[in-house]
Amino acid sequence: AQTVTQSQPEMSVQEAETVTLSCTYDTSENNYYLFWYKQPPSRQMILVIRQEAYKQQNATENRFSVNFQKAAKSFSLKISDSQLGDTAMYFCAFMNSHTGTASKLTFGTGTRLQVTL
Amino acid sequence: EAGVAQSPRYKIIEKRQSVAFWCNPISGHATLYWYQQILGQGPKLLIQFQNNGVVDDSQLPKDRFSAERLKGVDSTLKIQPAKLEDSAVYLCASRDNRDSPWAGELFFGEGSRLTVL
Repeated sequence: AQTVTQSQPEMSVQEAETVTLSCTYDTSENNYYLFWYKQPPSRQMILVIRQEAYKQQNATENRFSVNFQKAAKSFSLKISDSQLGDTAMYFCAFMNSHTGTASKLTFGTGTRLQVTL
Repeated sequence: EAGVAQSPRYKIIEKRQSVAFWCNPISGHATLYWYQQILGQGPKLLIQFQNNGVVDDSQLPKDRFSAERLKGVDSTLKIQPAKLEDSAVYLCASRDNRDSPWAGELFFGEGSRLTVL
């Protein structure tokens, strides 16, 4: 079974600064997908960024980028120029692409990010 | 495009009572998931449907939880009888896997928060 570990329960960053959230995972598969989801307070979960394991290039989405280290099974999220609206729970998640229609997301325990003035 | 709809948003019941949650996925999305998110934890998959068939219910406590998706669209999740440890947010998500069975993004509803007293 796959496991996802987020070792930082809470983090804080000042507005306009950069912060990195850590995630490690465990799998025996070679092909899979990794995700970062954002869950603002009392609001629905939304996708921030996605990485395909077969791609060596790190994914980027505007201010969000990842550092994907496949050998180390590490998948960190970097948020540049942090904004107050980035305050949320961030979940790292794993999807095993081998399972086809049975694909499901396995989540980590989350990191609560607080952006301050 | 309408998102994933869930109701009720909040429900308070006493232990041993029953409760039902409803989910309407995004139109055309064949895959539907129910996740349980206990406070301070990441979401845990309870059950996954592909159209009206169950793909994965390995973590569903079948002695008290049941779910159905009779016409392959809406879904209901029922708990009977409820226990204190069932207090959580129940998230519904859907995915369009027509193009690729594993690469599609999961879209989440706002969740149904259950408090069992």
